[in-house]
Amino acid sequence: ETGVTQTPRHLVMGMTNKKSLKCEQHLGHNAMYWYKQSAKKPLELMFVYNFKEQTENNSVPSRFSPECPNSSHLFLHLHTLQPEDSALYLCASSQMSGTNTGELFFGEGSRLTVL
Amino acid sequence: RKEVEQDPGPFNVPEGATVAFNCTYSNSASQSFFWYRQDCRKEPKLLMSVYSSGNEDGRFTAQLNRASQYISLLIRDSKLSDSATYLCVVNTGFQKLVFGTGTRLLVSP
Repeated sequence: ETGVTQTPRHLVMGMTNKKSLKCEQHLGHNAMYWYKQSAKKPLELMFVYNFKEQTENNSVPSRFSPECPNSSHLFLHLHTLQPEDSALYLCASSQMSGTNTGELFFGEGSRLTVL
Repeated sequence: RKEVEQDPGPFNVPEGATVAFNCTYSNSASQSFFWYRQDCRKEPKLLMSVYSSGNEDGRFTAQLNRASQYISLLIRDSKLSDSATYLCVVNTGFQKLVFGTGTRLLVSP
């Protein structure tokens, strides 16, 4: 496989469920990201990991919990979500150098619906 | 004021037309600038970086005006396959990329 892969592609969950989104990058990059894309809104940066260390948490509610076990894998654990959390969640990776993020390579996204 | 502002469109143009998109950003310390393209129900992909001197890639020309905090994208000889949403992206520093809402382009036969 090449590029950035995300699973599952679609997820429907109730507000009391616990689920996880998974992302894997095969590009040898040192940084990984979670973005949220809602209708009519710009992509919102949620989390940034650089060499497995979280370097950005963009005021994301604690019901979203990221995990980065190594530089190739990134998870987003979901717990007691709200209907307004329904969105497309995009994972991306890049080769970061200093403050230069480098080109972002996105996965196809996980479309989440919270009932 | 939004960090990155774009006209959402849609811009409806016939094949062969020239179309220009604009984008403004609020952080004067922003370091680098990009245009990404997002097709319907697909992920964003880098179209081109934007350099101070302006740069061209085939039918696409990007320009940056730091004094006015303004970025533009010009598409010449539009093709049907150019129909997509074009995202203006700004690196505000500290490893943070900020996306605009995107400008939707529809090219018709």
